[in-house]
Amino acid sequence: GAVVSQHPSWVICKSGTSVKIECRSLDFQATTMFWYRQFPKQSLMLMATSNEGSKATYEQGVEKDKFLINHASLTLSTLTVTSAHPEDSSFYICSVKKHSNQPQHFGDGTRLSIL
Amino acid sequence: QKEVEQNSGPLSVPEGAIASLNCTYSDRVSQSFFWYRQYSGKSPELIMSIYSNGDKEDGRFTAQLNKASQYVSLLIRDSQPSDSATYLCAVKGRDDKIIFGKGTRLHILP
Repeated sequence: GAVVSQHPSWVICKSGTSVKIECRSLDFQATTMFWYRQFPKQSLMLMATSNEGSKATYEQGVEKDKFLINHASLTLSTLTVTSAHPEDSSFYICSVKKHSNQPQHFGDGTRLSIL
Repeated sequence: QKEVEQNSGPLSVPEGAIASLNCTYSDRVSQSFFWYRQYSGKSPELIMSIYSNGDKEDGRFTAQLNKASQYVSLLIRDSQPSDSATYLCAVKGRDDKIIFGKGTRLHILP
């Protein structure tokens, strides 16, 4: 069964809108979740590591004020794309892993299209 | 220098043949290696994980790891059209982050 639930799966909205994406760990409590972005024909790029109860760790070049991450519980992390613009259109995917050496399990992804 | 490298393909393999996907990585201290399959428009799904040198088999899939050569591969036996996808090699780096290659597009010819 699914390990990770991500919602919504698809969003189309106008430029300037803020969009919130939810990621839920279904099988276990996840102190750490990961947010990735994937542009067409490109690989997954890690945007940030979401830490339960503390601030997210952002990768170089990712604007923390633009991509707000909240990890308020052990099973839920949210990514909010604030004032989204067409260049933010992408496939956003969250993932969780149970232990350090174990693989990550991905949500189904959210396809974001900004008009 | 790229940390995880894969040939982007496309790699075309006749149905029923063996598909061989290769990956090299730069961080010598890496300990965990993963292969993910990604269908177009979908998120990646884990195919294999391997942690020690040698081969690991799971059904039609075999992962091979050679830490001395910093090389990991995935073999798919009896390739099926449903195996057509992009295969991502992933390596857990020294900072506990998983780094993905750009993926190899595999096309199984019916």
